Amino acid sequence: GAVVSQHPSWVICKSGTSVKIECRSLDFQATTMFWYRQFPKQSLMLMATSNEGSKATYEQGVEKDKFLINHASLTLSTLTVTSAHPEDSSFYICSARATHRGELRYEQYFGPGTRLTVT
Amino acid sequence: AQSVAQPEDQVNVAEGNPLTVKCTYSVSGNPYLFWYVQYPNRGLQFLLKYITGDNLVKGSYGFEAEFNKSQTSFHLKKPSALVSDSALYFCAVRAKFNAGNMLTFGGGTRLMVKP
Repeated sequence: GAVVSQHPSWVICKSGTSVKIECRSLDFQATTMFWYRQFPKQSLMLMATSNEGSKATYEQGVEKDKFLINHASLTLSTLTVTSAHPEDSSFYICSARATHRGELRYEQYFGPGTRLTVT
Repeated sequence: AQSVAQPEDQVNVAEGNPLTVKCTYSVSGNPYLFWYVQYPNRGLQFLLKYITGDNLVKGSYGFEAEFNKSQTSFHLKKPSALVSDSALYFCAVRAKFNAGNMLTFGGGTRLMVKP
């Protein structure tokens, strides 16, 4: 099946620093990737949609200058949390939709998530 | 706008008994419906989907779900629960003609299967 990886799986950083999270589709091409944020015991909240080779589309209330998304290839999207603060601490999950024979498949495949703790 | 409701925060069931996790949705037009499962500190795993065709959809690990258009529901079911089924379950919907391809998730239901 389709596999999505994320790196790192967890990271602790100091307030004011930047953190980059990578999301890779391992055995399929993903023209569209999604970044979600999940707080404890809550559902996933979509942060942004990224399309390979173009700018990401951010959801309302998500600061695009703070959460930088780059989707440089069909298998890699990155999320950079810039000038991180304790309130950015969360579980970040990426997902990807596979392309099969040039068409997008219906389901999304999710990465294992990255737990970010900002001290 | 599209939305999903999972009315139960938690469902408790004894091992071997049937389980049902409820989901209702609201979309404009025809829906694409999905169930995902999440284990602690892990991402979501795809269980099953309804796109078109038979209303009863079978998925991974013995789970199935029934699409009911009149009740706008997509309840997840399993005939015999296992302790290992204990996890967080999310229902998600996307309108067929949602240009943004965006999934909307329900709040999640924690399933606890007791031995």
